Amino acid sequence: DTGVSQDPRHKITKRGQNVTFRCDPISEHNRLYWYRQTLGQGPEFLTYFQNEAQLEKSRLLSDRFSAERPKGSFSTLEIQRTEQGDSAMYLCASSQQSGQPQHFGDGTRLSIL
Amino acid sequence: GDSVTQMEGPVTLSEEAFLTINCTYTATGYPSLFWYVQYPGEGLQLLLKATKADDKGSNKGFEATYRKETTSFHLEKGSVQVSDSAVYFCALAFNFGNEKLTFGTGTRLTIIP
Repeated sequence: DTGVSQDPRHKITKRGQNVTFRCDPISEHNRLYWYRQTLGQGPEFLTYFQNEAQLEKSRLLSDRFSAERPKGSFSTLEIQRTEQGDSAMYLCASSQQSGQPQHFGDGTRLSIL
Repeated sequence: GDSVTQMEGPVTLSEEAFLTINCTYTATGYPSLFWYVQYPGEGLQLLLKATKADDKGSNKGFEATYRKETTSFHLEKGSVQVSDSAVYFCALAFNFGNEKLTFGTGTRLTIIP
């Protein structure tokens, strides 16, 4: 069990640029979740997948955000035309459908200049 | 909608003191309840969980009991150590945690020797 892996750990970009983050879940975990955490707050749900199907999207996920999990393994989260308010820690978690709890990665910290 | 309210921090205690961090929730139905912990420089880790009323979750000397009548899941530890210094998040989820987690804002705990 190598844990949930996220890449990159840190991303600094200029406002208006596009960014893409990657999450590799624990192998055999068929559910994958994305959350966003801002300073001093708890994580907020963005979206989740069961295998390759995206089952739920939060209202927080504006049209500039898109997430994919094309082969039911790793997932990507893309933010287009980044804004200052997108600065946050983006967390990925995975779980088995059998009722085991979600395991979190260390996150990708996004800073918008 | 569903929500979690946590005792506001930060909380500072002396080593070997008794710890209580309050958590109450609002939800339609009967969710599973969780405490996650975030140690400095690390990702979120599950500390303990309870899936139904009157269940007690426990781990590393921490305990929390699912109280349906008061919609609470308070975290307790009889004797804290410096190594317990971290941010603690209370959370709920349905379907035994297979659906999205709803987190509280977190409570920063500092233990002084």
